[in-house]
Amino acid sequence: AQSVTQLGSHVSVSEGALVLLRCNYSSSVPPYLFWYVQYPNQGLQLLLKYTTGATLVKGINGFEAEFKKSETSFHLTKPSAHMSDAAEYFCAVIFKAAGNKLTFGGGTRVLVKP
Amino acid sequence: ETGVTQTPRHLVMGMTNKKSLKCEQHLGHNAMYWYKQSAKKPLELMFVYSLEERVENNSVPSRFSPECPNSSHLFLHLHTLQPEDSALYLCASSQGWDGFYEQYFGPGTRLTVT
Repeated sequence: AQSVTQLGSHVSVSEGALVLLRCNYSSSVPPYLFWYVQYPNQGLQLLLKYTTGATLVKGINGFEAEFKKSETSFHLTKPSAHMSDAAEYFCAVIFKAAGNKLTFGGGTRVLVKP
Repeated sequence: ETGVTQTPRHLVMGMTNKKSLKCEQHLGHNAMYWYKQSAKKPLELMFVYSLEERVENNSVPSRFSPECPNSSHLFLHLHTLQPEDSALYLCASSQGWDGFYEQYFGPGTRLTVT
C-alpha cells in the first residue's frame, strides 16, 4: 500500500545545531513530495516541494530537502536551528494518477533549546 | 482578505447541536478541500470539490455534510457529532484537481464536541 512515514514524532535540537527530519514513502512510482510547517494555532505553510528535476530542493527559512529515489526518502534539513523553527513539520506526498490528493505523514514536532 | 480564511476559529458544540464551518478562498482557485487533524492521527483528507462538484469523499460519516455553493466558498455542516470528532478542521484550495497543483491552507477551526 502507498504510504508516507516520518521517523520520530518529537525532535529536540539546540539553537544553532543541525535540524534533520526524516521522511520515507512507500510507492512503486516516485510521488510528488512536500514538506509543510505548522506553527501553533495556524494552518499549514508549504516549506518546499519536489516534483521533477534537481533532487536537492531549497525552501523557505533556510530549509532544504533531498529526494533519494533509491532510498525512497525525502529528508528535511536546516544547518543551524533558530528558536523560531519550533513548530510541527509534516511530510506529504501526492501519489501520481490519484488526483491532487495529499497523503500526510504523522508529523514531527521540533523543540529548539536555547 | 487574502489567501484562505476559515470561520469560526474556535467552536464548542454539544452532541445534539447543528453547526457549520465556513471556508472562503480569495485565490481564484477551482478546487477546495476539507481535512481533519486529530491528536495522535495523521492529517486526513475528508472531501474534495472541483468546480463545485464533489470528486472525493474519503469514507466520512454522514454526520459531516459538505457544501460548495461556488468555487470560492466551502462549508462543512455538522450534526449529532461525537466527542471523537473533536479536532482541527482545515480547509485548503488549489488551482485545480486533475493533476498536480499546490494546496494553500487556511488557519483551521478548532472544534470541541462536549
